[in-house]
Amino acid sequence: DGGITQSPKYLFRKEGQNVTLSCEQNLNHDAMYWYRQDPGQGLRLIYYSQIVNDFQKGDIAEGYSVSREKKESFPLTVTSAQKNPTAFYLCASSTGKGDQPQHFGDGTRLSIL
Amino acid sequence: GDSVTQMEGPVTLSEEAFLTINCTYTATGYPSLFWYVQYPGEGLQLLLKATKADDKGSNKGFEATYRKETTSFHLEKGSVQVSDSAVYFCALRTGGSQGNLIFGKGTKLSVKP
Repeated sequence: DGGITQSPKYLFRKEGQNVTLSCEQNLNHDAMYWYRQDPGQGLRLIYYSQIVNDFQKGDIAEGYSVSREKKESFPLTVTSAQKNPTAFYLCASSTGKGDQPQHFGDGTRLSIL
Repeated sequence: GDSVTQMEGPVTLSEEAFLTINCTYTATGYPSLFWYVQYPGEGLQLLLKATKADDKGSNKGFEATYRKETTSFHLEKGSVQVSDSAVYFCALRTGGSQGNLIFGKGTKLSVKP
């Protein structure tokens, strides 16, 4: 079945460490997105990519980095510069065209040790 | 800028009660409107969508009508079930946002047997 796979489901980070969250899709979608979800805050866009080898900052990009070397993959690195990284991270993809919806993975919950 | 406002939760209902979750939006142009649902510990799933004024989206007994005159997209269900307990997000997409979604903060629904 086609879908979006995020891994790991739970991730723990020590202070000062960078961690990378994986997102893979086999839907042949051009566009991919990373969101951060905090309680009572809804979803906030971190980064998005409309095409391979190109990506744009979203509303809260500071302290995060991404790459888009392959169409299927859009990993997110949470750097030590992100002072409050504890959150639920969601990856999504879409065709990027017309009114097609975004499809979401099951998320990664990141916690600080 | 574009924005989505949802009624604050949590909303607690008894099984078979009628559900309304209000959603209003502010947008330039003519947005597409979406309702997503998030079950505990999971990502978001598209529930329904509407792409132009007076369109009615429907799925799994849920309905929402795109009302341009009141800039609203309220979610309704005639008889809720315990299995409908989840967080519901209203979202919009305009052409100007490069296909990105703008989400409301979410409304948590709890249905008691």
